Amino acid sequence: DTGVSQNPRHKITKRGQNVTFRCDPISEHNRLYWYRQTLGQGPEFLTYFQNEAQLEKSRLLSDRFSAERPKGSFSTLEIQRTEQGDSAMYLCASSHGHPETQYFGPGTRLLVL
Amino acid sequence: GENVEQHPSTLSVQEGDSAVIKCTYSDSASNYFPWYKQELGKRPQLIIDIRSNVGEKKDQRIAVTLNKTAKHFSLHITETQPEDSAVYFCAADYDKVIFGPGTSLSVIP
Repeated sequence: DTGVSQNPRHKITKRGQNVTFRCDPISEHNRLYWYRQTLGQGPEFLTYFQNEAQLEKSRLLSDRFSAERPKGSFSTLEIQRTEQGDSAMYLCASSHGHPETQYFGPGTRLLVL
Repeated sequence: GENVEQHPSTLSVQEGDSAVIKCTYSDSASNYFPWYKQELGKRPQLIIDIRSNVGEKKDQRIAVTLNKTAKHFSLHITETQPEDSAVYFCAADYDKVIFGPGTSLSVIP
């Protein structure tokens, strides 16, 4: 296990299309977080899971965004009806418990045309 | 609500000098304050963290101080090297982690 992985690394889509990203956390990490990062900004919290339970979703997050972690291992983040403003780097992180170090994945860069 | 402010937004120092980045947080409920370094095109990586039961922590050239009463914490890098050039983020953990906007550090050889 070499760390948190994310797929795809890059995604280009047209406005109005749906996209889905996957995150595979470090084995045995029970916490998994999703962030969004735009150029020149810090990672912005989107949502997080403890095992398979989604514990919090950002109030700023549109209903077009949904995330799952069905078996408490990998997670998916889906964006429906993408908009140009959704263009960003989507980062996943995992940790073994809380509060503990979060290890980030390489991110999925989304470009909505 | 939870908010983290960070200053300065950019910092340029000569190699060998010290660099200091300061952060403040709004909600006193946080007890864990990590610092991340992000190089261009790479993922954020933890460089040091501090918990609320201590006021200072040091790891080689990097140190962090925490003042819970004033709700501020700072990162100190001594003897800076060109490879320290990156964006640094402070953060406060409220069960979710809230990041500051970042400080772009440039170390001039």
